[in-house]
Amino acid sequence: AQKITQTQPGMFVQEKEAVTLDCTYDTSDQSYGLFWYKQPSSGEMIFLIYQGSYDEQNATEGRYSLNFQKARKSANLVISASQLGDSAMYFCAMRGHGYVKYIFGTGTRLKVLA
Amino acid sequence: EAEVAQSPRYKITEKSQAVAFWCDPISGHATLYWYRQILGQGPELLVQFQDESVVDDSQLPKDRFSAERLKGVDSTLKIQPAELGDSAMYLCASSFSPSGLENTEAFFGQGTRLTVV
Repeated sequence: AQKITQTQPGMFVQEKEAVTLDCTYDTSDQSYGLFWYKQPSSGEMIFLIYQGSYDEQNATEGRYSLNFQKARKSANLVISASQLGDSAMYFCAMRGHGYVKYIFGTGTRLKVLA
Repeated sequence: EAEVAQSPRYKITEKSQAVAFWCDPISGHATLYWYRQILGQGPELLVQFQDESVVDDSQLPKDRFSAERLKGVDSTLKIQPAELGDSAMYLCASSFSPSGLENTEAFFGQGTRLTVV
């Protein structure tokens, strides 16, 4: 069975500093994708970044980067230069191979302090 | 910019009543998902469509929930009768996956927040 684990229910970070949100996963698939989504208080899920299991380089998208350690089955999200607008829930998700669904973690609530 | 449209944004209904949610995915997206998100938790899949066919409804409470995507475009999720425990955010998402196998990101709508009283 596939599983995503996010062990940090809540995190605080000072504005302009970097923060790492942890995500570990479990799967028996050889081919899979890892995703991070941001959910502001308004409720919509905003796609941030994607990492494929065969990608050798860590994914980056602007201030977001994914620290992918395949052997450790971890896919941590790094947000650099935090902004007040980054305050939100962050969900790690995984999609395996085939007609399969996205599996989500329980989320981490990030609060950026001025 | 293309987006997934959902309506209504908010719905309050009495228990035992029927309620329906509508979703229009991004044009060209063959895969459509309905997720339920209870407050403080991550989304959980209710039903997944590939075009007009259901490919996963294993977590859909079929005694009260139904979903359809008749023409393979927009979709409706219905609950009848609603129960207090159905109070949650219902999220629709779509992805560009012509075969259903591609590993592409899912784009979510703004959700419907359902309150059953």
